[in-house]
Formats: sequence, structure tokens, C-alpha cells
Amino acid sequence: EAQVTQNPRYLITVTGKKLTVTCSQNMNHEYMSWYRQDPGLGLRQIYYSMNVEVTDKGDVPEGYKVSRKEKRNFPLILESPSPNQTSLYFCASSLVHLGEQYFGPGTRLTVT
Amino acid sequence: GQQVMQIPQYQHVQEGEDFTTYCNSSTTLSNIQWYKQRPGGHPVFLIQLVKSGEVKKQKRLTFQFGEAKKNSSLHITATQTTDVGTYFCAAWEGAGGTSYGKLTFGQGTILTVHP
Repeated sequence: EAQVTQNPRYLITVTGKKLTVTCSQNMNHEYMSWYRQDPGLGLRQIYYSMNVEVTDKGDVPEGYKVSRKEKRNFPLILESPSPNQTSLYFCASSLVHLGEQYFGPGTRLTVT
Repeated sequence: GQQVMQIPQYQHVQEGEDFTTYCNSSTTLSNIQWYKQRPGGHPVFLIQLVKSGEVKKQKRLTFQFGEAKKNSSLHITATQTTDVGTYFCAAWEGAGGTSYGKLTFGQGTILTVHP
């Protein structure tokens, strides 16, 4: 089944404890991206990747890191999480840039 | 970077009434996409509009792209309880932009349908 998977789905952590949210797609998509969703603010893009080894900042990249070493994986790294990073995170991919986005199921992160 | 404003933020309708959400940009958009997110779910792609003045229909849903490519709308005729969710527009940064490859979403319209 063609899909985008994210892990974990739910995570409660403490301020400053490094964490990684994994994202993987099995559709051979070139484009991948991360979004955070907060009430009233819609979906805001954190980082995107047009292809392997190519990543760029979205609208809210501060406090996040990404890497794209393989086509299928695009992990999101929070080196030192803070409470303002409490949010619902979505990974998405598309065959190419400008294409329809396929979203993962989401990761709900709480930082205390 | 480009900004996409979406209104209204909330819309409550009685089942059978029509619903419209609007997206506006101060800059010309190369294209616009629409997504639907059911409560507790993830966004799902509905459609993409590319041409000036383009109109596309999917059953009870009608999508329009403005002549100047600065605005778009989604209209649902005779809403049903299955239409409940949040509707987002999204626009890709154009080739001339400094952030080519970035996708900007509107704030979304939360639709509630009362049976």
C-alpha cells in the first residue's frame, strides 16, 4: 500500500531532551516536507526537500533540523525541544515538486 | 515570501445549505491546491488549479481560480454531514521566488454541518 508513515504517533517529552520523528514514504517521491499544525494558524511548512541531499527552510524552521540521506526517509530532529514546539506535526511527500501532497497520519508532540 | 489568506475561519451550516471558502493572495499564484482534513485525520488532496479563470467540479464541489490568479474559492452545494472538516488552500512558491519549492497553506476553514 502506497503510504507515508510517521513515528511515533504520540510523544510527550521534557524541555531540552533531543528527539527525532521519523518519516518514510514508499512511493519513490522526490519531494518531501514537514509541517506543523496549530489552531488558527493552519499548516506551516518547517522544511522541505526537493531531492536527496537537498533541503530548504520553510516558514518556521527555527529549532528544527532535517536530513535527506535517502529518497524514502526524511526525519525531523528537535535538538533541544521547548514548550512552544508542542504541536501536531505532519510529514508529506509528492512525486515531484508542484505535485499533490500525500500526508502521513501525524505526530502529536507535547513538550513540558 | 508569499502569503495566502483564507476566510472564513469557521462556518456553521445546516445540512442542505451551501458553503464557500475563499483564498486570497497579494501576489500572483502559479497554481493553487485544495485539501480536506477530517476531524482527527490528515489533509487529503482534493484538486489543483493552474490556469487563469479555471473552474473544476467534483460532484457537489466547485473550485475556481481567479482571472488574475490571486484568489480562489471552493463552493459546496447542498452540504452533507460527510462534508464536515477543515478545508485548506495551498499555493506553491513561483519560479521567480526566492523560496522555489515552498508550499504555503491558508489558515483553513472549519466547516460544521448540523443535521
